[in-house]
Amino acid sequence: SQQGEEDPQALSIQEGENATMNCSYKTSINNLQWYRQNSGRGLVHLILIRSNEREKHSGRLRVTLDTSKKSSSLLITASRAADTASYFCATDAGTSGSRLTFGEGTQLTVNP
Amino acid sequence: EPEVTQTPSHQVTQMGQEVILRCVPISNHLYFYWYRQILGQKVEFLVSFYNNEISEKSEIFDDQFSVERPDGSNFTLKIRSTKLEDSAMYFCASRTSWTDTQYFGPGTRLTVL
Repeated sequence: SQQGEEDPQALSIQEGENATMNCSYKTSINNLQWYRQNSGRGLVHLILIRSNEREKHSGRLRVTLDTSKKSSSLLITASRAADTASYFCATDAGTSGSRLTFGEGTQLTVNP
Repeated sequence: EPEVTQTPSHQVTQMGQEVILRCVPISNHLYFYWYRQILGQKVEFLVSFYNNEISEKSEIFDDQFSVERPDGSNFTLKIRSTKLEDSAMYFCASRTSWTDTQYFGPGTRLTVL
């Protein structure tokens, strides 16, 4: 089954606006992590939320997790042009190897 | 702040050749991973490694692939006979414990001609 499906696939906003990205998954998880990827570059870890947590904040980022709906959201407040990137959620099901299963990602464009 | 490093940043090879991709995980980390991302697609898990052995591998990680931790700092991915479809960005990742954040390196872009 496919884990970590993000929506929307693409999001274009103006600087200063808030951006919300959603992620749904199918199986039970140990934790869920959000990553950012600038075009052709590496994966930068943003935030980890555990299955027993409902909300976490880090600077301008706010992540929620609803395990009953198997969904998570990433909110970026007061967006900047530098936030332009692809954003991925990745689920950790807590298997022996603890692999991360990534979604397709949301391409966020913040226009100056 | 400690980082995962990977070399080379870009590797070009001929089909059928062997390649070794190298990673230096964060020094106190115990769990190591390889992932790949084909251009325009999502990141896919290849293999996890702990206590000097493979913990888990995906269906992509067939007999052409192998991993090794030859010393206390390096973690390598070897592809014995590269195929065109192996062209991708390969990411190494590491973590301290199996429940913590996975930190990714900058990736090696492998191009198979």
